[in-house]
Amino acid sequence: AQTVTQSQPEMSVQEAETVTLSCTYDTSESDYYLFWYKQPPSRQMILVIRQEAYKQQNATENRFSVNFQKAAKSFSLKISDSQLGDAAMYFCAYRSAGAQKLVFGQGTRLTINP
Amino acid sequence: NAGVTQTPKFQVLKTGQSMTLQCAQDMNHEYMSWYRQDPGMGLRLIHYSVGAGITDQGEVPNGYNVSRSTTEDFPLRLLSAAPSQTSVYFCASSYSGGRTSSYNSPLHFGNGTRLTVT
Repeated sequence: AQTVTQSQPEMSVQEAETVTLSCTYDTSESDYYLFWYKQPPSRQMILVIRQEAYKQQNATENRFSVNFQKAAKSFSLKISDSQLGDAAMYFCAYRSAGAQKLVFGQGTRLTINP
Repeated sequence: NAGVTQTPKFQVLKTGQSMTLQCAQDMNHEYMSWYRQDPGMGLRLIHYSVGAGITDQGEVPNGYNVSRSTTEDFPLRLLSAAPSQTSVYFCASSYSGGRTSSYNSPLHFGNGTRLTVT
């Protein structure tokens, strides 16, 4: 079974600075997808960014980018120019190709200091 | 477009009581699922369905029942609530089937139900 590990329960960063959230996963599959979800205090689950395992190029969405290291089974999220609205719980998630089930990490609570 | 609608938003139950968490989606998604969120454990899959009449167990199915009589609705039943079921519950849906569908149809989540069992 696949597992996802987020080893940083909490992180904090100064507004306008850059922060990186870590995620590692364990799988024997070669084809899969990885996701980062954001959960603000409203409890809503918001998709931030996604990556296909067969793509070597790291995904980017505006201030959010990932560092995908397939051999190391690592999928970190970098947030540039941090804003107060980025404060939230962030979840890393894994999904097998052709399936819909998501396996989530434990989450990292990100605090933005003004 | 309502998306995924969960009711109620909050619920308090006494041990042994039963209740149903409602989930409805208006996007004609084949796949629907229930997760529970607990501190330090992320979200864990309870049950899922790939279409009307088809359900299957996830990672933590004990104490929960589901049924899928229509494409739109996927209720989660707690037959005899226990304090260990105190959690936040999320319903999520997406299109299913095929490699392209998996990538291009991410899960759409409801806003969650906070359940407390005393």
